Amino acid sequence: KAGVTQTPRYLIKTRGQQVTLSCSPISGHRSVSWYQQTPGQGLQFLFEYFSETQRNKGNFPGRFSGRQFSNSRSEMNVSTLELGDSALYLCASSPLGGGGNTGELFFGEGSRLTVL
Amino acid sequence: GNSVTQMEGPVTLSEEAFLTINCTYTATGYPSLFWYVQYPGEGLQLLLKATKADDKGSNKGFEATYRKETTSFHLEKGSVQVSDSAVYFCALTYSGGYQKVTFGTGTKLQVIP
Repeated sequence: KAGVTQTPRYLIKTRGQQVTLSCSPISGHRSVSWYQQTPGQGLQFLFEYFSETQRNKGNFPGRFSGRQFSNSRSEMNVSTLELGDSALYLCASSPLGGGGNTGELFFGEGSRLTVL
Repeated sequence: GNSVTQMEGPVTLSEEAFLTINCTYTATGYPSLFWYVQYPGEGLQLLLKATKADDKGSNKGFEATYRKETTSFHLEKGSVQVSDSAVYFCALTYSGGYQKVTFGTGTKLQVIP
C-alpha cells in the first residue's frame, strides 16, 4: 500500500513569510506526528494528532501549528519564518493497536524548507 | 523525562567490519525500544524493535538486545556493507496510551569499500 506522502518536497521561502506543509498518512493510520530535523539539533518532536485532536506537543514557539482533517491528512504551518526554521520536516504516521500507541512510526521522505 | 543517548558519530568502517552503535536510555518502567535508519535523501524507516527486557530485535543482519539492567539497546552487525551507510537513530516509547516517541541524536555510519 502507498506510504506516507509529504508535499512539497522542497521549498524556498524568505524571512517573515509563512509556509504550509502537507502530509498524507498510510491508509488506515489515524495518528500523524511531525518532526523537525536539523544537523545541529537532530530530530525534534513538534506535535502529534489523532482523530483531528492534538494530543502531544513539543517545545516549539506558537509560530508552529498544525491540524488534522477527518481523512487523517495533516498540515503544519510555520508563520513569520526565521532563518533557523530551515530544516527537513518529517511527517510520520502510525497504526494504533490495542487502543494505544505501539510506538512504530512510518515516515515520509520529508519537506526540505530553506529560509533565506 | 525520558531520554536516549547515542554514541557520537560519524563512524567510519571498512566493508565487512563489525559494527556496534551504543544506545542507552533513561526512562521509568518498561518502554519499547527501536532502531530506525535514515538513508541519504530519505525519511526514517524502522529497522528493528524490542518490547520487553531481554528481547532481541533483528533485521537485515542487524541485532539489538533490550538490556534492562544496563538500560541499553546497542545495535550490532557482524559484517557491514557499503549499502549500510546511513544515519541510525535509537528511540523509545511506551505502548498503549498516548505517548510520543523519544529519539536519540542519530549516529552516522559510513562504510568504505
